[in-house]
Amino acid sequence: DTGVSQNPRHKITKRGQNVTFRCDPISEHNRLYWYRQTLGQGPEFLTYFQNEAQLEKSRLLSDRFSAERPKGSFSTLEIQRTEQGDSAMYLCASSLIRRAGEQYFGPGTRLTVT
Amino acid sequence: SQQGEEDPQALSIQEGENATMNCSYKTSINNLQWYRQNSGRGLVHLILIRSNEREKHSGRLRVTLDTSKKSSSLLITASRAADTASYFCATPQGGSEKLVFGKGTKLTVNP
Repeated sequence: DTGVSQNPRHKITKRGQNVTFRCDPISEHNRLYWYRQTLGQGPEFLTYFQNEAQLEKSRLLSDRFSAERPKGSFSTLEIQRTEQGDSAMYLCASSLIRRAGEQYFGPGTRLTVT
Repeated sequence: SQQGEEDPQALSIQEGENATMNCSYKTSINNLQWYRQNSGRGLVHLILIRSNEREKHSGRLRVTLDTSKKSSSLLITASRAADTASYFCATPQGGSEKLVFGKGTKLTVNP
């Protein structure tokens, strides 16, 4: 399978715990994006990487959130001290630089904070 | 903030009928894309239309773009129960070309 993969698919955690999600993009894609989607809404941009460099972060990304893409391949999104408001679907997408507007999405990680 | 706004928010039709969804956006664009999302799943890219195109077809999908009205429509012909999903329009913004989505249209196709 050469699509975007995300792990885990589902995560249930208690408020205050830390969680980490992983995204593996399509192998030749230089850009990687993270989005968050709450129920009944469209996805909202969180951050993006070009190769290993994190080039933009949304103001939605509070200090409790951190994302990395250490070798320009897979990426991780960590949420520290989770809150109930963090419950959402976290989506990863990747693209080529020259076709950056055409993004391919993974299946998402659904986070539930109890 | 949301860029596109889809209309209607929900649409219920019978199998075999056509479904039309509309999207309005606010700022100038290079292209506009439509995505499908089955319940609880990731997004599937359906079609991209560039700002210099007025109409594009892909199988049973027909997309139009009117840049003067800042609007687009997605037509699904001869709908099937498997088309039941939420449909989103999205436009790339800024140097990052991050996608800005609307709230989506929830389509239900009844068998």
